[in-house]
Amino acid sequence: SQKIEQNSEALNIQEGKTATLTCNYTNYSPAYLQWYRQDPGRGPVFLLLIRENEKEKRKERLKVTFDTTLKQSLFHITASQPADSATYLCALEHNNAGNMLTFGGGTRLMVKP
Amino acid sequence: KAGVTQTPRYLIKTRGQQVTLSCSPISGHRSVSWYQQTPGQGLQFLFEYFSETQRNKGNFPGRFSGRQFSNSRSEMNVSTLELGDSALYLCASSLTGSRETQYFGPGTRLLVL
Repeated sequence: SQKIEQNSEALNIQEGKTATLTCNYTNYSPAYLQWYRQDPGRGPVFLLLIRENEKEKRKERLKVTFDTTLKQSLFHITASQPADSATYLCALEHNNAGNMLTFGGGTRLMVKP
Repeated sequence: KAGVTQTPRYLIKTRGQQVTLSCSPISGHRSVSWYQQTPGQGLQFLFEYFSETQRNKGNFPGRFSGRQFSNSRSEMNVSTLELGDSALYLCASSLTGSRETQYFGPGTRLLVL
């Protein structure tokens, strides 16, 4: 069966350090992968999209990698700040069926000052 | 540009009742997707509409239905409510579909008693 797995345990890091979140998937052949941020009681906010032919993508302090061989994406936040504390979700197109995004369970990041 | 709006923001219903939720996408967006989010199951895809047609449907019972109007506004309906339908219902809009940024609304928090 198809699965998207993110570490369900909260990730606690110190301000200024790099946070690394993992998204693993099985039985998908995604053409692209997206990362979203969600704050409590709010809808997810789009952060980055990376395509299968892109190994890495950056946006300010954010970096995403996409390894289709390992079936894994890593999401990095450098020089983390308490304001980065949120839940981060990865999302894949469902089984190559257009217009159906499947989300991972999300990882909660806590950045302590 | 105004963001995605959802009404109502909060709703309390009792078992057996039905409910209708509304979503107004960003102007010019033709794709509207609906998701259910619960602590146990995470974000789950309900259905997606494009140009008034349902293009994809997730694995939910027939009690969950939706429609899209000519102005791209969308409604979802849940009939014969069950306790397990208590959740945050999110809609997301995009220009044409899931292969691009999804813009989420703030959600409707539904509590079924």
